Amino acid sequence: SQQGEEDPQALSIQEGENATMNCSYKTSINNLQWYRQNSGRGLVHLILIRSNEREKHSGRLRVTLDTSKKSSSLLITASRAADTASYFCATAENTPLVFGKGTRLSVIA
Amino acid sequence: EAGVAQSPRYKIIEKRQSVAFWCNPISGHATLYWYQQILGQGPKLLIQFQNNGVVDDSQLPKDRFSAERLKGVDSTLKIQPAKLEDSAVYLCASSLASYSFEQYFGPGTRLTVT
Repeated sequence: SQQGEEDPQALSIQEGENATMNCSYKTSINNLQWYRQNSGRGLVHLILIRSNEREKHSGRLRVTLDTSKKSSSLLITASRAADTASYFCATAENTPLVFGKGTRLSVIA
Repeated sequence: EAGVAQSPRYKIIEKRQSVAFWCNPISGHATLYWYQQILGQGPKLLIQFQNNGVVDDSQLPKDRFSAERLKGVDSTLKIQPAKLEDSAVYLCASSLASYSFEQYFGPGTRLTVT
């Protein structure tokens, strides 16, 4: 299975701190995507990184991809209470996306 | 741009009853997906349509679940008969083309089977 596995399962930080979550997967991919899910806005796409890319930025988000280690990380800088959510990585290799179980992030004001 | 619409938002049924969910994707999106998300887990793909054809339904329990996408736009997902383990959130998503593109999700339908 190419299911991504997020680590840690849960993370609690203070507002203003940075949050880092990781994703590991087992097979080759052509892209990896990060999604956020909270009760207010449902599941929302954050960023897509292709297998030939190593790093992407979007606002306060930074995603890295290391295909040799089959891993990715999502960094949220200067976290806010509104960042409280579950974060999922999803992988694809000419197949439908497979989601991991997610990291539950709590940002405490 | 209007998002993915789903209805109903909540549904409570008894086991062995039937239920249907409706999805209207973003205009122009060729690919439509139905996912099942059980509490505490990530979404699991049930079926993927490309226009009105099925691309992948390998994880759809075909003895009780069915889905269709008429005219390559709206889609319905049906469960008949429902089991207790079908209690979950059913998410519909759409994308411009295939898995290489970001997916846009609807708000989901929370199904409770009692």
